[in-house]
Amino acid sequence: DAKTTQPPSMDCAEGRAANLPCNHSTISGNEYVYWYRQIHSQGPQYIIHGLKNNETNEMASLIITEDRKSSTLILPHATLRDTAVYYCIVRVGPYNQGGKLIFGQGTELSVKP
Amino acid sequence: EPEVTQTPSHQVTQMGQEVILRCVPISNHLYFYWYRQILGQKVEFLVSFYNNEISEKSEIFDDQFSVERPDGSNFTLKIRSTKLEDSAMYFCASRGHETNEKLFFGSGTQLSVL
Repeated sequence: DAKTTQPPSMDCAEGRAANLPCNHSTISGNEYVYWYRQIHSQGPQYIIHGLKNNETNEMASLIITEDRKSSTLILPHATLRDTAVYYCIVRVGPYNQGGKLIFGQGTELSVKP
Repeated sequence: EPEVTQTPSHQVTQMGQEVILRCVPISNHLYFYWYRQILGQKVEFLVSFYNNEISEKSEIFDDQFSVERPDGSNFTLKIRSTKLEDSAMYFCASRGHETNEKLFFGSGTQLSVL
């Protein structure tokens, strides 16, 4: 189902940058890459999304390779509260027909003191 | 920031009973979704809804499930005759009409079928 591949788990030291990779080699030209995270069993929380260019917001930066086959989510100064499962998602289906997000297993990020 | 609101946060029911899970999407949003997450498993798509009809549904969304937007503000998921395997966290989500609009998720309803 999911069109993305992520490592199952990663560790990061508190205060350091967390770099979470994602492969999406079959992405097509008009498909966006979205990143969400889920803390415990809370609702998925939007982080950032992009099409071609690198993006930055108050939570994170998204680096997309020129061929768009992979991307990296960067949390610049990870805190313990950033411990969560991070999902890289390529939206499936035309936006005007719903355009659902399909979640994979994600990357379980553990931020350690 | 605007929020998707789900009620109740916890619902316990007996097997075979009907349940209705309620959601209030963000007010100017047009697309609505239900997802579920069985404990320890990934978040699974159930159904998308637009313009008062189902846009797409997954294999999970069988005849026991239905969705409705009864009054222009609420969005409900009904399970007619609950089974033990319906026990899960159910998330509602909504988004606006732009191509790259993000989905906003609610905090979920934990359904326990006994």
